[in-house]
Amino acid sequence: NAGVMQNPRHLVRRRGQEARLRCSPMKGHSHVYWYRQLPEEGLKFMVYLQKENIIDESGMPKERFSAEFPKEGPSILRIQQVVRGDSAAYFCASSPQKSRGSTDTQYFGPGTRLTVL
Amino acid sequence: AQKVTQAQTEISVVEKEDVTLDCVYETRDTTYYLFWYKQPPSGELVFLIRRNSFDEQNEISGRYSWNFQKSTSSFNFTITASQVVDSAVYFCALSEPRILFSGGYNKLIFGAGTRLAVHP
Repeated sequence: NAGVMQNPRHLVRRRGQEARLRCSPMKGHSHVYWYRQLPEEGLKFMVYLQKENIIDESGMPKERFSAEFPKEGPSILRIQQVVRGDSAAYFCASSPQKSRGSTDTQYFGPGTRLTVL
Repeated sequence: AQKVTQAQTEISVVEKEDVTLDCVYETRDTTYYLFWYKQPPSGELVFLIRRNSFDEQNEISGRYSWNFQKSTSSFNFTITASQVVDSAVYFCALSEPRILFSGGYNKLIFGAGTRLAVHP
């Protein structure tokens, strides 16, 4: 079974460019989470998506950041007009669909390290 | 507010020593989950354990053991007879379960991590 896949693993952008980060969840998983890890810090929740729906984007900056999880294809985290402060590791996690009121373990991808020059 | 505190920023031990990583959490939820993840130098996050708030039994998996104490809001992680391959950053995390009509999900709140260095 393939795990959560993220690409690219490393991404370098100049200030003002756009960054697109991709995440393919584990087979059978329909929940996707994005987290950001700033240098020397723990991970911070950004957004939670199900197929074609953003459920919770309370951790995502209001401007320049967007996320999607289309019916077909990977989840995309998009950062427009990147700034140096966006340099971080961005992790995607997936978990399976569960019944109401339950929760499940999130399995993480290897992360995308974004460097903004 | 929910919060996870890992007071030990860095720990350095010599191989074969036992080491305990502390984790203290705060939550108003009565139902919650606690997790430990390992982040080796390669950078990925490896799931180690998940524990729900109703299960206070300690757990042992090989050289790893976890001590969950609700009375002190702690979920400590002990590595027995540490090895160089245990060198990594270890994160404790607390989930905020959210109920939806269509199912549940949880947002993880991570501690800042403890960097463990095991020397030969």
